[in-house]
Amino acid sequence: GQQVMQIPQYQHVQEGEDFTTYCNSSTTLSNIQWYKQRPGGHPVFLIQLVKSGEVKKQKRLTFQFGEAKKNSSLHITATQTTDVGTYFCAGPAGGTSYGKLTFGQGTILTVHP
Amino acid sequence: DGGITQSPKYLFRKEGQNVTLSCEQNLNHDAMYWYRQDPGQGLRLIYYSQIVNDFQKGDIAEGYSVSREKKESFPLTVTSAQKNPTAFYLCASSMERGTGNTIYFGEGSWLTVV
Repeated sequence: GQQVMQIPQYQHVQEGEDFTTYCNSSTTLSNIQWYKQRPGGHPVFLIQLVKSGEVKKQKRLTFQFGEAKKNSSLHITATQTTDVGTYFCAGPAGGTSYGKLTFGQGTILTVHP
Repeated sequence: DGGITQSPKYLFRKEGQNVTLSCEQNLNHDAMYWYRQDPGQGLRLIYYSQIVNDFQKGDIAEGYSVSREKKESFPLTVTSAQKNPTAFYLCASSMERGTGNTIYFGEGSWLTVV
């Protein structure tokens, strides 16, 4: 079945350093979504990428979708303590349901002030 | 406020007992989902429902059951057949029309077997 892998599993940074997490799918994706989960909280939708090679920015966050639509990355510039949490990528798991997703295992980001 | 409400937030279950987790949404979403989250494994789909009175198994449905009698409600029962039920359970919903629809999560329910 479809697999979505994320690396690294953990990342510890000093405040102000950059951070990147990578997502790779075993199959071509029609779209890829990114979610953030704060400690003790629930996942919150960040963004969806649909087009091959697409790049989207949200303030200090930059999201990329690979040309082959099998990989994606999230880059945070100059991390802040508010960036702490787990970042998940997710792709459609097949079928007709939009919310039927296969999630990566997530990257846990800690930021030291 | 519109959103997804899960209850209870924390639940303790004795071995051999069935428990039911509630999920209600007022977003008028067609589809609802149950995901399970374990440390280091991300989220895994248990069951989903695209329409009232219909639901489908996800990747880890064994030991769980659901019902979808109303559009707003999608309760999950964790049965005694589920051998390792201690986890964080997340209910979610989404529209089923168009493209690019996002999935919204409830705040989750922590289930612990004692």
